[in-house]
Amino acid sequence: DTEVTQTPKHLVMGMTNKKSLKCEQHMGHRAMYWYKQKAKKPPELMFVYSYEKLSINESVPSRFSPECPNSSLLNLHLHALQPEDSALYLCASSQDTGHSYTDTQYFGPGTRLTVL
Amino acid sequence: SQQGEEDPQALSIQEGENATMNCSYKTSINNLQWYRQNSGRGLVHLILIRSNEREKHSGRLRVTLDTSKKSSSLLITASRAADTASYFCATGVRANNLFFGTGTRLTVIP
Repeated sequence: DTEVTQTPKHLVMGMTNKKSLKCEQHMGHRAMYWYKQKAKKPPELMFVYSYEKLSINESVPSRFSPECPNSSLLNLHLHALQPEDSALYLCASSQDTGHSYTDTQYFGPGTRLTVL
Repeated sequence: SQQGEEDPQALSIQEGENATMNCSYKTSINNLQWYRQNSGRGLVHLILIRSNEREKHSGRLRVTLDTSKKSSSLLITASRAADTASYFCATGVRANNLFFGTGTRLTVIP
């Protein structure tokens, strides 16, 4: 199984709502990632979990809250978002080879988020 | 910024022609990776070239890397309409951290 799944595919929420994005992989990867991608731009790294511990937080606003319940699951909790947070949110996973080596990442199809 | 720059930003070719896109970056890397993204979907890994390699092939793809110039190129030979997508280079600088380039939007006209 070389697939990363994400749910939901599309999400529309108001600025006062609380919602969650979910990501799952069964490749035995120990690193998982959240990226944000605006139209016609490259993905921007938000968070990295390594062995279920948050290892990188790219100065993301606290209205985005990541969670890694176990090695296969990654959530992104959303609260009090702004319209400018509308974007494609991508989850990815990779082996965690460490030793300063950057592994290939496997991406999910993304969640298209619209904040009204 | 450590983000790479890609050139051209957009490329339109006829089916059967070759497509070349270039990537420049700023820092020392351990590898450089190329990814494809179909419109509004997830990224798919294409090929990885390590910093001590100069050229790598995979099917119709050929990647070169020149670490002295901090640049890489991706050549797609005999292009097909299904190759229409955005292509991103991504530099591996440290563990678990890829820096994506600005991307090239390729259109292959049938």
